[in-house]
Amino acid sequence: QKEVEQDPGPLSVPEGAIVSLNCTYSNSAFQYFMWYRQYSRKGPELLMYTYSSGNKEDGRFTAQVDKSSKYISLFIRDSQPSDSATYLCALQTRDDKIIFGKGTRLHILP
Amino acid sequence: DGGITQSPKYLFRKEGQNVTLSCEQNLNHDAMYWYRQDPGQGLRLIYYSQIVNDFQKGDIAEGYSVSREKKESFPLTVTSAQKNPTAFYLCASSIVDRVAHNQPQHFGDGTRLSIL
Repeated sequence: QKEVEQDPGPLSVPEGAIVSLNCTYSNSAFQYFMWYRQYSRKGPELLMYTYSSGNKEDGRFTAQVDKSSKYISLFIRDSQPSDSATYLCALQTRDDKIIFGKGTRLHILP
Repeated sequence: DGGITQSPKYLFRKEGQNVTLSCEQNLNHDAMYWYRQDPGQGLRLIYYSQIVNDFQKGDIAEGYSVSREKKESFPLTVTSAQKNPTAFYLCASSIVDRVAHNQPQHFGDGTRLSIL
């Protein structure tokens, strides 16, 4: 089983819809959870960072972590065409081992 | 503005040539990292450094070398021993905090390396 699984997409949704992006993981040692957004030909940009189970909200973005199920999600409300990008999940252990998902390509249709 | 600057944005390498990718940060971060990104694959760690004059191999260090002579700078050399160097190279940095929680990495905008 891979350490991190992330559906590569592409995921196409109409403007204004709620987007749900997900990653599953197998290693319970992961304690820190991040979501990055990457536009074409650019570096990943940190969107959300959390280290506890539950929800964390920042504007239109909500990160959700379920450590018991080893499942993390990123929700985007009121999606905009400018949200079209690749979204990477990243998981990190206390001793700094970090694993990135392969990314989900998201297209928001105007 | 604080950030991570990678240069050049595009780089071409001839067969048998070594090339060096630049990474500079003014975030006062202790740790710096180099990743390689290939289509359809996640980021793979090449080298990382948590303190000046010290660095560690990552998962795919063969064919690469680094130096960390200054806190702000972490250049990556792609040597002729790296037989498949065409990729998007990303530099990142982070705060090292052993007391509180791990701190996330922040990335530059990458260098795209191609073979002539």
